[in-house]
Amino acid sequence: QVQLVQSGAEVKKPGASVRVSCKASGYTFTAYFIHWVRQAPGQGLEWMGFINPNTGSTKSPQRFQGWVTMTKDTSISTAYMELNRLSSDDTAVYYCARGYATWYFDVWGRGTLVTVSS
Amino acid sequence: QSALTQPASMSGSPGQSITVSCTGTSSDVGGYNYVSWYQQHPGKAPNLLIYDVTNRPSGVSNRFSGSKSGNTASLTISGLQAEDEADYYCTSYSSRSGSNSVVFGGGTKLTVL
Repeated sequence: QVQLVQSGAEVKKPGASVRVSCKASGYTFTAYFIHWVRQAPGQGLEWMGFINPNTGSTKSPQRFQGWVTMTKDTSISTAYMELNRLSSDDTAVYYCARGYATWYFDVWGRGTLVTVSS
Repeated sequence: QSALTQPASMSGSPGQSITVSCTGTSSDVGGYNYVSWYQQHPGKAPNLLIYDVTNRPSGVSNRFSGSKSGNTASLTISGLQAEDEADYYCTSYSSRSGSNSVVFGGGTKLTVL
């Protein structure tokens, strides 16, 4: 079945970087965008952007530009999201999700908890 | 502050119907039929309920339905059940500031009394 399997929880110090992986299975990896969404503790969902696994092109809201890097490795059907210059405000669960052309997400990973603490 | 406005909380009794609203602008909800809704239980990933305003994925109960009027989209849950107690989020494609993006509502916490 279609699945997105994410990497495990991370604990990072302020100023560090973190990379979260998202491995796709059960479908053609290059046929659907991969989106990244985060959720701070007790808060709502925040869209971070997407990567087109076919071309490698990415799009993210202005507030994440220059701060979030989305990449992919087509050979292993895996997308990555790297967040730099972490602060305590970046403590959140980070989700990857498969995106359709009309901007909805039909399959989600289980989420990766990133904790930023000194 | 979220781009789309939802009520923070709602409640209903089993068997009742409730409607969750999601208000945006002509640059998102009102301008495109690209509204989707997600249900999220505590500690779980969101689950797609409705896409393209009114469409329901296979496997989602027909107790869930979506609609839109102007800049406001709505999710109606009929015949409330205890398992419907969860957080609900709307999203929309947005062309604000000329960029392709996705915006979320702040979420609505539904309590089944």
